[in-house]
Amino acid sequence: LAKTTQPISMDSYEGQEVNITCSHNNIATNDYITWYQQFPSQGPRFIIQGYKTKVTNEVASLFIPADRKSSTLSLPRVSLSDTAVYYCLVGGPYTGGFKTIFGAGTRLFVKA
Amino acid sequence: DTGVSQDPRHKITKRGQNVTFRCDPISEHNRLYWYRQTLGQGPEFLTYFQNEAQLEKSRLLSDRFSAERPKGSFSTLEIQRTEQGDSAMYLCASSLGATGQGDYGYTFGSGTRLTVV
Repeated sequence: LAKTTQPISMDSYEGQEVNITCSHNNIATNDYITWYQQFPSQGPRFIIQGYKTKVTNEVASLFIPADRKSSTLSLPRVSLSDTAVYYCLVGGPYTGGFKTIFGAGTRLFVKA
Repeated sequence: DTGVSQDPRHKITKRGQNVTFRCDPISEHNRLYWYRQTLGQGPEFLTYFQNEAQLEKSRLLSDRFSAERPKGSFSTLEIQRTEQGDSAMYLCASSLGATGQGDYGYTFGSGTRLTVV
């Protein structure tokens, strides 16, 4: 299973764009990159998933360079309610992705 | 369908007692997972079902832990002879089976918080 490295914590202010980068140097060919958000006393919530280049949905964008050894989750114009822990996961159907190693995640604090 | 449901939300038990948790996944999801999460850490994988078959168990899962998924629907996780170290949030998740194009992401329940006193 590919190991991921992401910052332990980040601070931001309301209205700013936040970029959280995750390193995954030993990502396998069939692995996907998935990001989750977790609030206290709740289960993680799927945010976005990608394989290469750029993926965008209604809440975030995911940028993946050509070598796929890292990825960046971009949250546009964050609000106080975006304060949460963000997890980067790497895995796929052929690399035991269901065993998903979450790690400690990145704690994002959004200030007013 | 309102997502993955877990019951109970909270459970306090005395050391040595048995506890059982229930998870109802999203109905069309054939994969079901159990995780354990302690304070300040990310979820740790415990076990995984595809339909009714338990296909993988983590080495973290001692013999006191058992999980079932009869008929490929809801699942139960039982912990026998609970210990204080079992205190944690137990999370259930479900997903559609991978089609070779990548998993579609897991949908988690809100978890059962277990406190062993």
